[in-house]
Amino acid sequence: ETGVTQTPRHLVMGMTNKKSLKCEQHLGHNAMYWYKQSAKKPLELMFVYNFKEQTENNSVPSRFSPECPNSSHLFLHLHTLQPEDSALYLCASSQPTGGFDTGELFFGEGSRLTVL
Amino acid sequence: QKEVEQDPGPLSVPEGAIVSLNCTYSNSAFQYFMWYRQYSRKGPELLMYTYSSGNKEDGRFTAQVDKSSKYISLFIRDSQPSDSATYLCAMRAGPNDMRFGAGTRLTVKP
Repeated sequence: ETGVTQTPRHLVMGMTNKKSLKCEQHLGHNAMYWYKQSAKKPLELMFVYNFKEQTENNSVPSRFSPECPNSSHLFLHLHTLQPEDSALYLCASSQPTGGFDTGELFFGEGSRLTVL
Repeated sequence: QKEVEQDPGPLSVPEGAIVSLNCTYSNSAFQYFMWYRQYSRKGPELLMYTYSSGNKEDGRFTAQVDKSSKYISLFIRDSQPSDSATYLCAMRAGPNDMRFGAGTRLTVKP
């Protein structure tokens, strides 16, 4: 396995369900991210983890709960979602140095979520 | 005002055309400017990167940054059907604060 892998690729859930999205990176990076991608809207940064510590939470509703047990794994736990939460959820990783570098994000293929 | 503005298109051009994609931004602290390409049912991948103002060329692709106007561009010469994808501009000031445009969906017709 190489790069960033996300499972499941597709998920359909009712508003009362509890589900989780999983992300795993094999790049040795120290930072991991969750982004939400909706049609014709900018990618929305949801959460950032650096060395397993959450460093950013962009006012995301509490029905989204992230978990980062180690630098290689990231989860997004979903509970009582709304239909407007239907979107593509992208996981990414990077190796930020704070110096003169791209800070390139390496993305997974995303988990397509549909909330009925 | 959105932090990063990008026309979502869609944009359709014939094969061989020159394509111009653009973004404007409001945060003067942005220093690093990138273009990501996203094929259908895939995650975005870094295509071009520019630090501060100036031009950068890579094959058929040219990225331009004009910080005085807060305006960035991506030009694709001799466009090919394989260039059909969504192109997202991205920019950041610090190590973890990447901000994206909405993406422009491009179709190059044979």
